[in-house]
Amino acid sequence: EVQLLESGGGLVQPGGSLSLSCAASEFIFSDYGMNWVRQAPGKGLEWVSTISGSGGTTYYADSVKGRFTISRDNSKSTLFLQMNSLRAEDTAVYYCAKRNYQLLSGYYYYYMDAWGKGTTVTVSS
Amino acid sequence: DIQMTQSPSSLSASVGDRVTITCRASQSINSYVNWYQQKPGKGPKLLIYAASSLQSGVPSRFSGSGSGTDFTLTISSLQPEDFATYYCQQSYSTSYTFGQGTNLAIK
Repeated sequence: EVQLLESGGGLVQPGGSLSLSCAASEFIFSDYGMNWVRQAPGKGLEWVSTISGSGGTTYYADSVKGRFTISRDNSKSTLFLQMNSLRAEDTAVYYCAKRNYQLLSGYYYYYMDAWGKGTTVTVSS
Repeated sequence: DIQMTQSPSSLSASVGDRVTITCRASQSINSYVNWYQQKPGKGPKLLIYAASSLQSGVPSRFSGSGSGTDFTLTISSLQPEDFATYYCQQSYSTSYTFGQGTNLAIK
């Protein structure tokens, strides 16, 4: 069974930095893109960032572009999220999620088929 | 960004009921919709991908339909373990977006 375990959350002051990790197991990590998705307290899900299996392609939500950096170490089956210039509105549970896909009628359909339990980030003075 | 609007935002139902949740996209997105279930304190779980494909291991009482801008998730006969929050998500754009969620509660 696929396992995803996030770590690195905590309390940080506004303007500070934090680095999250997601340790993956039970699948060939380098074969799959990965995502970060967050959920503010009492709110819905918000996609944050995606990285391809090779790490060569990345995407970011406008709300984090220029402040957050997604990366991966395929030799260690680990995903990262470097978060800089943190704001109160970045307070959330951060989930990593495995990106899978199906080729249907000639089109690639992407979805998140495994999720971690999340790590909590609190930005407050 | 593509906006995903779910309705209703909350719903009360009884065990055995048939329930439908809808999701409308702000532009046509073919069949690029996924549905997730989330229980309190847990990460989401994939139910349906590509609008109507049932994820392996998910009970057949869950089904999805739709194409273009309008999509539905149907639970044919609610079970006690189905009371949770449900989200739609579009993967048409590389900037993924989720609906605001539908909280399904016991009546």
